[in-house]
Amino acid sequence: GQQLNQSPQSMFIQEGEDVSMNCTSSSIFNTWLWYKQDPGEGPVLLIALYKAGELTSNGRLTAQFGITRKDSFLNISASIPSDVGIYFCAGQANTGNQFYFGTGTSLTVIP
Amino acid sequence: ETGVTQTPRHLVMGMTNKKSLKCEQHLGHNAMYWYKQSAKKPLELMFVYNFKEQTENNSVPSRFSPECPNSSHLFLHLHTLQPEDSALYLCASSATNQETQYFGPGTRLLVL
Repeated sequence: GQQLNQSPQSMFIQEGEDVSMNCTSSSIFNTWLWYKQDPGEGPVLLIALYKAGELTSNGRLTAQFGITRKDSFLNISASIPSDVGIYFCAGQANTGNQFYFGTGTSLTVIP
Repeated sequence: ETGVTQTPRHLVMGMTNKKSLKCEQHLGHNAMYWYKQSAKKPLELMFVYNFKEQTENNSVPSRFSPECPNSSHLFLHLHTLQPEDSALYLCASSATNQETQYFGPGTRLLVL
């Protein structure tokens, strides 16, 4: 199946710092999604991107759909302890096709 | 509140047991999914139902048997599982097949 690579695999940051993570694929996607998963819970949708170059914000989170359509980026500004969790990207090649998920970036915020 | 609920949240079963996982969505969606989440691995799609019809079975062993009686409910019947089947089983739903999916909290399964 399709492989999505997320980077970095884990991050340890101080509260208040900004965070950047990315997701790359070997083929072109038309939709990128970013989810956050808290321990013991299911993934919660953060941001959906549908157009190359699109930049979308949700509070302190900003995600971008890469212009090559093979990558996407998620930034978190001024991190807080509740940002702790695993962040997953998901990509879809065409409407009606399966979504593929990355292996996740684990974020730890040190107060 | 995601609008997708799963029960039980935790389940321990022996290899000879039969159990069922239940998923219910309150979002008015028409597609529902089962995923398996194991440590350090991407989410694995198991089954897809669209308007109660199974549209995808991702080579899942027959010891996992899905059932979708209506668009709001999805079950995963388990029998003679193996220890390597221990994982978090996530249910998701979307408006139509393969649109943006919304996940339930998952059932943490341990097979002894």
